[in-house]
Amino acid sequence: KAGVTQTPRYLIKTRGQQVTLSCSPISGHRSVSWYQQTPGQGLQFLFEYFSETQRNKGNFPGRFSGRQFSNSRSEMNVSTLELGDSALYLCASSPQAGGPRELFFGEGSRLTVL
Amino acid sequence: AQSVTQLDSQVPVFEEAPVELRCNYSSSVSVYLFWYVQYPNQGLQLLLKYLSGSTLVESINGFEAEFNKSQTSFHLRKPSVHISDTAEYFCAVSDETSYDKVIFGPGTSLSVIP
Repeated sequence: KAGVTQTPRYLIKTRGQQVTLSCSPISGHRSVSWYQQTPGQGLQFLFEYFSETQRNKGNFPGRFSGRQFSNSRSEMNVSTLELGDSALYLCASSPQAGGPRELFFGEGSRLTVL
Repeated sequence: AQSVTQLDSQVPVFEEAPVELRCNYSSSVSVYLFWYVQYPNQGLQLLLKYLSGSTLVESINGFEAEFNKSQTSFHLRKPSVHISDTAEYFCAVSDETSYDKVIFGPGTSLSVIP
C-alpha cells in the first residue's frame, strides 16, 4: 500500500508570492491533517479535513488555507508569503477523524521563502 | 487546552547506554499519548501509544514508555541504544475534549555516539 505522498518536496519562493502544496493520503484514509514544522516552534497544527469538510483549525492567519477533494486528496495554500513561512509542511492521513488515532505522515514539502 | 513539554531539546548518549526522553503533558481530562520518531529527511512515524489499560507500553524496537497520571508524564526509555536510534522524537497528546487535534511537543533530538 502506498504511503502518504506530498508534492513538491522542495520549493523556493519569494516574499509576496503564493504557494500550493499537495497531499495524497493512503488509500482508504479520509482524514488529512496539515502541520508546519520549524526548528523553533516544532510541529504546529494547521488544519484537518474529513470528507471535504474542515473539522478543525489551528492558530494561523487567514493566509493559510486548505481544501479536500472528493478523492480525499488535499491541498494547502499560503498567500502573500513571508520569510517566517519558511518551514517543512507535513501532511498526515488517518482512516477516520476524531478519537485517538495514529497519524501517517508524508515526507513533507520544504518551503524556503527568500 | 492540552499542551506538551519535552524538557530536553538535545540528548547525546553513547552507544549501548540507556536513555530516557522526558515528556510532560497538561490536560484536565482523560488523555491519549503518543511517541513519534522522525529520522533525517523523513516524515514522522508512530513509535508507541497509550490509549488505556496497562500504563507501560512497548515498541517493537526496544523502546518503552510509562503513563504516570499523577505526574502527568509519559517518558520514553530504552535500556541500550543503537546508532540507528539517532533521530528526532516527538511526544504527542490528544484528549477527549478535542479528539480532532493531536498536539505535539517541541521534540528531542537523540544523538547516539559510537
